[in-house]
Amino acid sequence: QVQLVESGGGAVQPGRSLRLSCAASGFTFSNYAMHWVRQAPGKGLEWVAVVSYSGNSKYYGDSVKGRFTISRDNSKNTLYLQMNSLRVEDTAVYYCARDEGAGRLWLFGFDYWGQGTLVTVSS
Amino acid sequence: QSVLTQPPSASGTPGQRVTISCSGSSSNIGINYVYWYQQLPGAAPKLLIYRNNQRPSGVPDRFSGSKSGTSASLAISGLRSEDEADYYCAAWDDSLPVGMFGGGTKLTVL
Repeated sequence: QVQLVESGGGAVQPGRSLRLSCAASGFTFSNYAMHWVRQAPGKGLEWVAVVSYSGNSKYYGDSVKGRFTISRDNSKNTLYLQMNSLRVEDTAVYYCARDEGAGRLWLFGFDYWGQGTLVTVSS
Repeated sequence: QSVLTQPPSASGTPGQRVTISCSGSSSNIGINYVYWYQQLPGAAPKLLIYRNNQRPSGVPDRFSGSKSGTSASLAISGLRSEDEADYYCAAWDDSLPVGMFGGGTKLTVL
């Protein structure tokens, strides 16, 4: 069965960096675009970034552009999110999610989600 | 502020039919698929409707989606207490380009 397991969250001070990982299993990882989605405490969902199945195409939400980098290692079935220059407003649960468009660039539909990892940015 | 606009709340009694709207524009809903997610308290979101009106296996046929122009709707018929959750619409926006979610609708079953 499809599984997505995030790790790497924790408490960090403003301005510091953190790298999240998402280990995928149960499907051919290299066939699917992958996304990061976050949810601040008590708030709605916010799309963060997408990487195509090959890793060649990437897009970011305006609030993280220039600070966050999405990447993937298809040999390790792992998705990453490098977060630099963290701000208090980046505090959220971060989910990785699989795009439902197998073999396509992406369709922006998330058919599987991880359980999420909490990132807390505070001084 | 979300570019996809949803009502913040909706409610109904058991057995009723409720609809949740999602309003966008020609660069998102107007030309791309709309997706709907259900998020129960304390849980990760779950795909409810994909590609405007398709149900993943396991989602009851009480849930249905539709799209017309730059707006979309989620309908829930035969409302049950377990449907009490937050519901989000989502679509890709070609003009920016970015992905976007609606602000979410909290459904209360009275």
